[in-house]
Amino acid sequence: QKEVEQDPGPLSVPEGAIVSLNCTYSNSAFQYFMWYRQYSRKGPELLMYTYSSGNKEDGRFTAQVDKSSKYISLFIRDSQPSDSATYLCAMSGPDDYKLSFGAGTTVTVRA
Amino acid sequence: EAGVTQFPSHSVIEKGQTVTLRCDPISGHDNLYWYRRVMGKEIKFLLHFVKESKQDESGMPNNRFLAERTGGTYSTLKVQPAELEDSGVYFCASSPRENTEAFFGQGTRLTVV
Repeated sequence: QKEVEQDPGPLSVPEGAIVSLNCTYSNSAFQYFMWYRQYSRKGPELLMYTYSSGNKEDGRFTAQVDKSSKYISLFIRDSQPSDSATYLCAMSGPDDYKLSFGAGTTVTVRA
Repeated sequence: EAGVTQFPSHSVIEKGQTVTLRCDPISGHDNLYWYRRVMGKEIKFLLHFVKESKQDESGMPNNRFLAERTGGTYSTLKVQPAELEDSGVYFCASSPRENTEAFFGQGTRLTVV
């Protein structure tokens, strides 16, 4: 069983739709949760960084963490074609700075 | 402010040859990490430097891989001799402190033929 599970998609939505992405994990020690966006042939770009459970909003992006269910989500509102990319979840423990990544979900926003 | 920079962006070498990858972290970031993504797999941790010291190299695949960070600034990752299974994208990341946001470079795509 993988430590972090993420559906690779692909996911295709029309412009303006809400994109919903999620990851599940098995390690209950994870405390720090991140979402990265990666365009083709580029490095991962940090989108959201959250600690423990709760919600965090930044513009059109909302990250949610439910530690009791070992489940994290990323929502993108009013999606734009420029949001088309691969989205990676990543997480680490309190004393473990190593990031464990999901496989990434490929998202296409159709104009 | 410059981000994390990696050189080269792409390298094609023959099996048995040596390749050295370089990473320049964000200025002032004491923590430097190397990760790797092989085809069809997740990005995996290789090792972590705090300044010039190796904090954790538990993810290094074998002794053909050698990482250095002289002076606590840039880092190199040498593969010697390269094998076919070493092909993948090697990412470097840096952060100001442990368990804070890690910023990634664009990666070096290594192809061993």
